Amino acid sequence: AQSVTQLDSHVSVSEGTPVLLRCNYSSSYSPSLFWYVQHPNKGLQLLLKYTSAATLVKGINGFEAEFKKSETSFHLTKPSAHMSDAAEYFCVVSEGEYGNKLVFGAGTILRVKS
Amino acid sequence: NAGVTQTPKFQVLKTGQSMTLQCAQDMNHNSMYWYRQDPGMGLRLIYYSASEGTTDKGEVPNGYNVSRLNKREFSLRLESAAPSQTSVYFCASSLTPTRYNEQFFGPGTRLTVL
Repeated sequence: AQSVTQLDSHVSVSEGTPVLLRCNYSSSYSPSLFWYVQHPNKGLQLLLKYTSAATLVKGINGFEAEFKKSETSFHLTKPSAHMSDAAEYFCVVSEGEYGNKLVFGAGTILRVKS
Repeated sequence: NAGVTQTPKFQVLKTGQSMTLQCAQDMNHNSMYWYRQDPGMGLRLIYYSASEGTTDKGEVPNGYNVSRLNKREFSLRLESAAPSQTSVYFCASSLTPTRYNEQFFGPGTRLTVL
């Protein structure tokens, strides 16, 4: 069975410093992995996805993530945080060719200090 | 192009009342999904419809029913609401039901059951 663990429930950074949000997954098959962002009282927006092509994936707003099969990790990074990055971030895994059942991590709330 | 729309945005029910949450997408997607979001638990799949004419249970289907009315619309019904169903409900859609396609989310319905 697939599962996702987001290692930090809250992360706080200063504006202009790097962001690291950690995610480990468990999957029996070749997974697809996603990062979604949710701003307060809004729906979820896709940041980036990995579907077995390049292991370093670039997304919107300067975010990127690296798929490391040996470590079963898919950490999200950004070189320089902006105030508008403050939101909740979800790491998500999907496996199998059909059904596309997404399994969500519990979320990481990112706070950006000025 | 509105993407995924949901109605209503907010709803308050008394225990035992019924209601239907509506969802529509204009992206010509084949697959649609209903999730609930509770604090600290990410999103959990209630029901999904891989294609028009099919529906299947997700992780937490008890107390809910769904109808795939046509390719565009997918509704979620609570027959007898309970306080445990207080949550934020998200509808999503994807082009096909495979792990390669990301899901697009609506803005959510915030439901309170008293």
